[in-house]
Amino acid sequence: QKEVEQNSGPLSVPEGAIASLNCTYSDRGSQSFFWYRQYSGKSPELIMSIYSNGDKEDGRFTAQLNKASQYVSLLIRDSQPSDSATYLCAVNRPDRGSTLGRLYFGRGTQLTVWP
Amino acid sequence: GAVVSQHPSWVICKSGTSVKIECRSLDFQATTMFWYRQFPKQSLMLMATSNEGSKATYEQGVEKDKFLINHASLTLSTLTVTSAHPEDSSFYICSASYSGGPGVNTGELFFGEGSRLTVL
Repeated sequence: QKEVEQNSGPLSVPEGAIASLNCTYSDRGSQSFFWYRQYSGKSPELIMSIYSNGDKEDGRFTAQLNKASQYVSLLIRDSQPSDSATYLCAVNRPDRGSTLGRLYFGRGTQLTVWP
Repeated sequence: GAVVSQHPSWVICKSGTSVKIECRSLDFQATTMFWYRQFPKQSLMLMATSNEGSKATYEQGVEKDKFLINHASLTLSTLTVTSAHPEDSSFYICSASYSGGPGVNTGELFFGEGSRLTVL
């Protein structure tokens, strides 16, 4: 079983719609959860982080975390063509001897927002 | 915010040569840096974790003698691809975690711009 799994997509939504991206993780010891956006040929950029159960909103983005179900999602409201990118889910857990741990990335979901 | 700078952004080299990629944390001290590799349409694959002043920890399957990592200071880590071959062509991305500031103990990483290596 992979550490982090995402629906591979591609996901295509019209401009103005809500895009929903999902991610599950296998290790219950995971503590921190991140969503990164990666445009083609560029490095990832952090768009959301979430550490406790529930919802976290930042502008048009809402991250949802359910540790019991080992599930984290990202909702993008009022989707724009500029949101078209690959979205990577990343999960952190402490490795032995390290409080910071390392990030495990999913394969990413490619999102296309069409005008 | 924390800024990580990577250089060069792209490099083309002949097979058999060595290539060095630098990763710098510009406005914070990075005790830990991570090196990732990404092939087209695939996710990031962690190659190694480097800690300032100590040897890097390599992921399974990554040849430490081929991918030399040096983290000599709190603001600089380098990755040297030795005797590069066409199959080493990839997008190499470094990232840094910040101890004592934004992201402390949360695992948040700040990524460099990436370096695209093409080996002819």
